[in-house]
Amino acid sequence: KAGVTQTPRYLIKTRGQQVTLSCSPISGHRSVSWYQQTPGQGLQFLFEYFSETQRNKGNFPGRFSGRQFSNSRSEMNVSTLELGDSALYLCASSLRAGGFTDTQYFGPGTRLTVL
Amino acid sequence: GENVEQHPSTLSVQEGDSAVIKCTYSDSASNYFPWYKQELGKRPQLIIDIRSNVGEKKDQRIAVTLNKTAKHFSLHITETQPEDSAVYFCAAITGGSYIPTFGRGTSLIVHP
Repeated sequence: KAGVTQTPRYLIKTRGQQVTLSCSPISGHRSVSWYQQTPGQGLQFLFEYFSETQRNKGNFPGRFSGRQFSNSRSEMNVSTLELGDSALYLCASSLRAGGFTDTQYFGPGTRLTVL
Repeated sequence: GENVEQHPSTLSVQEGDSAVIKCTYSDSASNYFPWYKQELGKRPQLIIDIRSNVGEKKDQRIAVTLNKTAKHFSLHITETQPEDSAVYFCAAITGGSYIPTFGRGTSLIVHP
């Protein structure tokens, strides 16, 4: 089976712009979670989607949003980018909802740099 | 909300030694505790996990112990090898919310 894929792998944006990141889960997996990883804050949970519905959300401002499509692919959007949004954005997929009690498989991440 | 503290932040050992990483959590409702390994430039990978109804779990050279009373859980790696060098993250998940809270990570360096 192909693993979790994320596009693009690298992205450079300027402050105030918006960005959309994409995640394709492992075939058959219906849960997709998103994480932000920075040297300062470590790994932080953004949100989880299952069957096109957001099931859980971490402590991030409303500028961070996401969605999931009927084929389980997910997108994450960040609007009005700030310098502090520079990070590695990881998605992870799992079979079932409440995804974290299932084994999660991470994608390679998208490295976002905000100038 | 949940708070997870992980220690040490850096651990340097000689090949063949044992390594122990400890995490403490604050929410007594947390019931699932995975450990992830992230090699430099690579994605995190689950290496072992434990649920609150179990005190210890072992998988070859890796083991995890959980003390619910003290609210801490530890990762034990025996007979360390250079390929064990990586950053290890712990996490705690509260059953009701399924929102994971991560420790800040431990950089393990195994010297040949």
